[in-house]
Amino acid sequence: AQTVTQSQPEMSVQEAETVTLSCTYDTSESDYYLFWYKQPPSRQMILVIRQEAYKQQNATENRFSVNFQKAAKSFSLKISDSQLGDAAMYFCAYRALNQFYFGTGTSLTVIP
Amino acid sequence: EAGVAQSPRYKIIEKRQSVAFWCNPISGHATLYWYQQILGQGPKLLIQFQNNGVVDDSQLPKDRFSAERLKGVDSTLKIQPAKLEDSAVYLCASSLGPGEHGYTFGSGTRLTVV
Repeated sequence: AQTVTQSQPEMSVQEAETVTLSCTYDTSESDYYLFWYKQPPSRQMILVIRQEAYKQQNATENRFSVNFQKAAKSFSLKISDSQLGDAAMYFCAYRALNQFYFGTGTSLTVIP
Repeated sequence: EAGVAQSPRYKIIEKRQSVAFWCNPISGHATLYWYQQILGQGPKLLIQFQNNGVVDDSQLPKDRFSAERLKGVDSTLKIQPAKLEDSAVYLCASSLGPGEHGYTFGSGTRLTVV
């Protein structure tokens, strides 16, 4: 069974600082995708970054980057230069065989 | 480009009543998904449509939940009768095809069953 684990229910970061959100997953598939989604109070899930499992290079999207460790099945999200607008729930997600599996989320607070 | 539209935004019903949610996907998106997101959890897939056919409904509680996408465009999700544990946000998403090309979520319907 595919599972996604986010062990940090809540995190906080000072504005302009860097924070890392953790995610581990379990799978027997060799071909899959990993994602980080942001969910603000508006409830819409917004894609932050994606990583193809076959790519060794870590994905980067402006201030957002991932540390993908395939052997360890770890997929952490680093947010640099945190901004007030980054405050939200962050969900790690795994996709294979056309199905998404989401973690339980990490609530990120940005302190001014 | 218009996003995935969902209505209503909020709904409060008593247990044993019925309720329906509506979703209009992005134009041209053949694949439509319904998710249930219980408070404090991540979204869980309920059903996936490819055009007007069901691809996966393995996690849909079929004794009380039903969904249809008759013309392969918009979709409705129904719960009848509702239980207290059905309180959740119901998210709709769509994509160009099976997979995540253009995968986009709507803002969801928050259901409270009292």
